Amino acid sequence: GDSVTQTEGQVALSEEDFLTIHCNYSASGYPALFWYVQYPGEGPQFLFRASRDKEKGSSRGFEATYDKGTTSFHLRKASVQESDSAVYYCALGDNTGNYKYVFGAGTRLKVIA
Amino acid sequence: AQTIHQWPVAEIKAVGSPLSLGCTIKGKSSPNLYWYWQATGGTLQQLFYSITVGQVESVVQLNLSASRPKDDQFILSTEKLLLSHSGFYLCAWSLSSNTGQLYFGEGSKLTVL
Repeated sequence: GDSVTQTEGQVALSEEDFLTIHCNYSASGYPALFWYVQYPGEGPQFLFRASRDKEKGSSRGFEATYDKGTTSFHLRKASVQESDSAVYYCALGDNTGNYKYVFGAGTRLKVIA
Repeated sequence: AQTIHQWPVAEIKAVGSPLSLGCTIKGKSSPNLYWYWQATGGTLQQLFYSITVGQVESVVQLNLSASRPKDDQFILSTEKLLLSHSGFYLCAWSLSSNTGQLYFGEGSKLTVL
């Protein structure tokens, strides 16, 4: 079945550091890829989406590029702030008509001021 | 603007007791609806989805059931709770495309004792 792997379980950075969270996927066909952010006690919030090779998604200073060759969708941000502290989830949407979305394990980001 | 409301916000229930969680979406006609479960500190596991009133598809078996009695309402239930049912239950909706972004509710926290 489809799967999403996030390499980092936790990331600790200082403000203005560069962020990379790695996301790799395994899916048949050509899935849509997403990044979501979740704050404590809340539901996940959509960050952005990409649906074709080399497409870049971005929002709030975060960005990721769909790479079909390496089956990756790594999240990056040039300069993190304390307010970015949250859990980040990479996800894929199966576009074969079965309305299934698979989420990665999540990466907890802590940014220290 | 679309809104999604989940109820109750939190429940503490005994093993073997029944459960009903609800979700209402306002401002969007004929959305796709989803139930997700999240263990504390864990990833999001899709449980059910529904693309039309009266039709619900199960994605994973967890001794839970779901129903969609109205276009804007999605219900998750079980007659007998297990300890393993504890966690955070999230309702979500998306547009009719099967790879559209998910919009999550605020969630319902369930503790089974």
